[in-house]
Amino acid sequence: DADVTQTPRNRITKTGKRIMLECSQTKGHDRMYWYRQDPGLGLQLIYYSFDVKDINKGEISDGYSVSRQAQAKFSLSLESAIPNQTALYFCATSDLLGTQYFGPGTRLTVL
Amino acid sequence: TQLLEQSPQFLSIQEGENLTVYCNSSSVFSSLQWYRQEPGEGPVLLVTVVTGGEVKKLKRLTFQFGDARKDSSLHITAAQPGDTGLYLCAGERGNTGKLIFGQGTTLQVKP
Repeated sequence: DADVTQTPRNRITKTGKRIMLECSQTKGHDRMYWYRQDPGLGLQLIYYSFDVKDINKGEISDGYSVSRQAQAKFSLSLESAIPNQTALYFCATSDLLGTQYFGPGTRLTVL
Repeated sequence: TQLLEQSPQFLSIQEGENLTVYCNSSSVFSSLQWYRQEPGEGPVLLVTVVTGGEVKKLKRLTFQFGDARKDSSLHITAAQPGDTGLYLCAGERGNTGKLIFGQGTTLQVKP
């Protein structure tokens, strides 16, 4: 079984809809991250959390929110999706050495 | 402005050729990581370098961290089709627990 799982893997939605992307991990790590990936831009940090009570904005948090429901669960929400939020979204965890372990990604298309 | 500049962004070579990917910044990093990503999957860590001037080898891959800890390179000897993928460098500034990613280098090795 994968250590970091993401659901859904693919999602097509319409402008203005609320979307939630979910992430679960079995690695026992406290640190979790949400990134978006666009061609030619690498990975950009949206939000990160170092424990259940800690939530921090990343480089591109506008239009997104997160919830850390438990050590193992970190969800990303788009309250009102817009077309330029079409991207590949990755969840990751990190050990104390700084190595990040990524989920398989969610491909989101906003029409 | 990208804090970590990766070059080239795209590389297409024949099997058996050598190549070098560069990751440059004007900022100092406490550590620098290289990841490899295949289509439909999340990035996977290849190596972490932490000391200025450090060289690490992973089979046919050689990683180097610049003396001033502002740049890094990845050299692949005798590239194989299995090396095809997206290579990402990522740096941590201080002990923030956050990574800054380069734009990525897409490598295609043709048989």
